[in-house]
This record gives sequence, C-alpha cells and structure tokens, in this order.
Amino acid sequence: DAGITQSPRHKVTETGTPVTLRCHQTENHRYMYWYRQDPGHGLRLIHYSYGVKDTDKGEVSDGYSVSRSKTEDFLLTLESATSSQTSVYFCAITGTSGYNEQFFGPGTRLTVL
Amino acid sequence: QQQVKQSPQSLIVQKGGISIINCAYENTAFDYFPWYQQFPGKGPALLIAIRPDVSEKKEGRFTISFNKSAKQFSLHIMDSQPGDSATYFCAASMGNAGNMLTFGGGTRLMVKP
Repeated sequence: DAGITQSPRHKVTETGTPVTLRCHQTENHRYMYWYRQDPGHGLRLIHYSYGVKDTDKGEVSDGYSVSRSKTEDFLLTLESATSSQTSVYFCAITGTSGYNEQFFGPGTRLTVL
Repeated sequence: QQQVKQSPQSLIVQKGGISIINCAYENTAFDYFPWYQQFPGKGPALLIAIRPDVSEKKEGRFTISFNKSAKQFSLHIMDSQPGDSATYFCAASMGNAGNMLTFGGGTRLMVKP
C-alpha cells in the first residue's frame, strides 16, 4: 500500500452531517490525491495536493473540500453529506520514478443515509 | 465526458486462456498509460504501464499493446489463472507527476478453473 493508510475504513452517516476522511502517508511524497469510485465510472479525481497548503480541484470537486497542513496528512471533508456522495473513497500518492505512477490506499467505504 | 473508454465491462475466460481488455482515449496529450488491478475490498494496484515511445511492454504474463495512431491500448493476460480474477482499470494521463489519472470504467475478469 506504499505506506498509505486511510481512516475510517467504513463509515455510515446521515444526510446533512459533516464528514472528514483522513489519508496518511509515511514516505514524504509530495503529491496526494483523493478519488471516488462508483460502478461504471472507474475512479474520478476529487481534489489533489502538490504540497503543504497547496491543493487544487479535480473532475468532481463539488461538495468536497480538502486540507493539507502536514506533508503526511491529506484530509477530505464533506461539509454536508448527501446520498450522492455514497461511494468508496481512495487516497493516492505519486511515486518517485518521475512518471505519474500513482499508488492507492485501501479505501474508505462511505454510506450516506 | 469520459475521455478513456474501456471494453468489455465483463469478461469470462477459461484457465490457461488469453484475456484481452481494450481501451481507447481521446486526448492526444496523454503520454502515460497504466493498468491497475483491483481485488474486492482493496485499493487499485499498479500492474503495468507504458509510454507511447514503445508499442509493446511485457511483464511476466501481462503485456500492454499500444497503437498511437488509433489512440488505443490493450492489456493481454497470457495463461490466465483463477487468481487473476479481479477488476482491471486502464488509465491515462500526461506523464509528469502531479497530473490526474483519467480512468476507464473497468473490466470485471473472471477466470474459470
């Protein structure tokens, strides 16, 4: 898992509640990403970070925010969860090869009721 | 807008057979094409990747074939084994670190013993 952990691994919440997912890496990688995985859509990029306090939007960023105050942690926040945000969320980092090799964490399954 | 189209959605192959999964892309700026393998409950794992300066790359039983003029690439799994049963995703990006991966929709492969 390239030294990537995600927490929680499973979460059930109710519509309208805030939710924060955490991604932690141990290898000091610069680039970190949040993707969501839904059937038939593969994985879609939500937000990514290219350094501490440097983040940018991805393909499906509406309803999500991120923060990166330390190199090792990248947080994804759903300010007010909706049922359409029920998904599996994956964090990824880019390796050190110089190419865009991305390595994924184990995922967080989020259910919004 | 799905920039990477993957087919088939599902595939059943007999043990020892060849599994072939195809992807087509639209963005001619893409220059890095990885394949990921995902088992249930796990994150996607980088399997093999190719850059467009070569037409084929082989790693063990896994081969990527790349056709730049047709904007297509494919994964061939030779001597398919039941342990290869998983979901496979193709992806594409511009090659430098920090760029987003655009994923195909995935292919669920089942290898029958």
